Amino acid sequence: DQQVKQNSPSLSVQEGRISILNCDYTNSMFDYFLWYKKYPAEGPTFLISISSIKDKNEDGRFTVFLNKSAKHLSLHIVPSQPGDSAVYFCAAFSGGSNYKLTFGKGTLLTVNP
Amino acid sequence: EAQVTQNPRYLITVTGKKLTVTCSQNMNHEYMSWYRQDPGLGLRQIYYSMNVEVTDKGDVPEGYKVSRKEKRNFPLILESPSPNQTSLYFCASSTGLRETQYFGPGTRLLVL
Repeated sequence: DQQVKQNSPSLSVQEGRISILNCDYTNSMFDYFLWYKKYPAEGPTFLISISSIKDKNEDGRFTVFLNKSAKHLSLHIVPSQPGDSAVYFCAAFSGGSNYKLTFGKGTLLTVNP
Repeated sequence: EAQVTQNPRYLITVTGKKLTVTCSQNMNHEYMSWYRQDPGLGLRQIYYSMNVEVTDKGDVPEGYKVSRKEKRNFPLILESPSPNQTSLYFCASSTGLRETQYFGPGTRLLVL
C-alpha cells in the first residue's frame, strides 16, 4: 500500500517556464513533508520542506504548497533551468517520535533549453 | 568536508555470502538511516537509528541487520544475501528528527 504517491513518472518543461511536481499521500498521521532532488550516480539532496501547520514554504525559485484537506502537496520551480533536470522525490515523516520516512516513487523532471 | 561515506560503492557477490556495507558520517549526527532504491519503487527505508545502540525497523527490514555501536558509523549487514536484495543502497544522517537528511553517494549491490 503506497502511502506517498507521485503519479507522474516524468515531466518535461521548457527553460524559463514553471515546473509543477505533484505528490499525494494517504496517511493522515504524516506531519512533515520534504522534497529531495536526485541526479544520476549521486545520493538525494534535500530541497525544501514543509510542516503540516503551514500551507506554503518558499526558498528562492522553489515553493512547496500543502493542502491538508486534499492530502496533496506540490513543488513549484520558477523559473525552471536545465540544471533542475533530475528525479524529484516527495517524502513524509509520520507523527510521533519515530524516524520513519516514507518516499514516493519519484518524478523525472526534464527542463529543455 | 561534511559528508556521509559508504563503502564499497559497487559490489558483486553470490547468494548466501555474508556482506557488510559500511556507512560513516563526520557531522556528529545522531540520526542515521538506510534506504534502498529500486526501479519503479522509489526509495524505501530499511532501518534507522536515533542514537547509539538505538535502532528500529523501517518499511523493508527483512534480510538486513544493522548496528550502531558508535555515533559516526551505521553498517548494514546482509547475513545471507539473495538476488532480490540486488539494489542501490543509500545511507543518510541528520541532526534531528525533522531535520535535513544528508545522503551518501550510494552502494550498488548485485547478488548473483
